[in-house]
Amino acid sequence: EVQLVQSGAEVKKPGESLKISCKASGYRFTDHWIGWVRQMPGKGLEWMGTIYPGDSDTRYSPSFEGQVTVSADKSINTAYLQWRTLKASDSAMYYCARSGGYSSNWYVDWGQGTLVTVSS
Amino acid sequence: EIVMTQSPATVSVSPGERVTLSCRASQSVSSTLAWYQQKPGQAPRLLMYGASTRATGVPARFNGSGSGTEFTLTISSLQSADSAVYYCQQYNNWPPMTFGGGTKVEIK
Repeated sequence: EVQLVQSGAEVKKPGESLKISCKASGYRFTDHWIGWVRQMPGKGLEWMGTIYPGDSDTRYSPSFEGQVTVSADKSINTAYLQWRTLKASDSAMYYCARSGGYSSNWYVDWGQGTLVTVSS
Repeated sequence: EIVMTQSPATVSVSPGERVTLSCRASQSVSSTLAWYQQKPGQAPRLLMYGASTRATGVPARFNGSGSGTEFTLTISSLQSADSAVYYCQQYNNWPPMTFGGGTKVEIK
């Protein structure tokens, strides 16, 4: 059974840094893209970026490039989403999701989400 | 960036009725389109990929069609469990992949 288990909810202050995780199991981690999707309160889905753990190919939405860093550690089947300097506007639910394959870029499986709250 | 536009924003349908959701791309995405269902408090769930291929476990009452710039998701006989927000996503020309704004399906 494929599982993507995300790290728990975070409460941070503006200006702080944060790294959330997505631990994968039940499939070959290196063979599927892991994407990150933001959902602000009451809003729709926004694609942030993705990584192919097999070769660490990483791609970002222009809206998020420079604002976040996507990474992965294939030794522990875990992908990460990182902020260097959080803003209140980063408060949202963040989902990781697994693609169907290298050239199959729909998202077959999703993590449960990590709620990030940034408030002074 | 390809912009995905979904309509209507909200639709209210009685159980057993047919409902059709639309998704339009600002430029051709061929058949590289997926549909997701999201219920309150849950992560999205893949319904359809390749515009018309049902994901594993998706009931046959869900059908996807279209190619190029115009796509539809049809629920042939709406059930109460289908109350959710539905999103389309293109994965033809990326980054970025882009989602539509969603259509909320309400049960009358």
